[in-house]
Amino acid sequence: DAGVIQSPRHEVTEMGQEVTLRCKPISGHNSLFWYRQTMMRGLELLIYFNNNVPIDDSGMPEDRFSAKMPNASFSTLKIQPSEPRDSAVYFCASSLTPGRAQYFGPGTRLLVL
Amino acid sequence: DQQVKQNSPSLSVQEGRISILNCDYTNSMFDYFLWYKKYPAEGPTFLISISSIKDKNEDGRFTVFLNKSAKHLSLHIVPSQPGDSAVYFCAGGGSQGNLIFGKGTKLSVKP
Repeated sequence: DAGVIQSPRHEVTEMGQEVTLRCKPISGHNSLFWYRQTMMRGLELLIYFNNNVPIDDSGMPEDRFSAKMPNASFSTLKIQPSEPRDSAVYFCASSLTPGRAQYFGPGTRLLVL
Repeated sequence: DQQVKQNSPSLSVQEGRISILNCDYTNSMFDYFLWYKKYPAEGPTFLISISSIKDKNEDGRFTVFLNKSAKHLSLHIVPSQPGDSAVYFCAGGGSQGNLIFGKGTKLSVKP
């Protein structure tokens, strides 16, 4: 079975541009999580969905960030407009049961110039 | 407020010896704990977990110990191998649904 799939793997963009990150969770997993990893703050939870419904978005930094999960097999994280401080690695993870083992994708390395 | 703390940013161990990675937590609502391993340019990989009703769980070379009274868990790797060199994260989970991660410990296993 394929693991969590993320695209793109790398993204370089200019400040002010819109960035869309994509995630396909493991089939059958009911929970999906978006994380951001930086040297300063480590692995931060941005938002998580359970059965396609956003449960906790308290980690979303500001209104420039938005996430959607239109169906059980797809989620997007959008940054509009992007800023240099958004440069980080963004991970998507999914789990069968909330609060239990999460399985991570390979991440999207974002660089905003 | 860090609910999960890994106080050692790095650890260096000789191949064949035991590696002990430590983690402390403050949230009494955690009922499940996990360890992840992360190589550069990859996502974290789930390694081993333990329920709060247990004090030990073993999987091959990896053993996790939980001391609830001290709010402390540890991961033992015996024997350590160079391929174990990675960043290790501990995490706590519970009814809130998400996991809270520590900041990680970088393990280097020297041949």
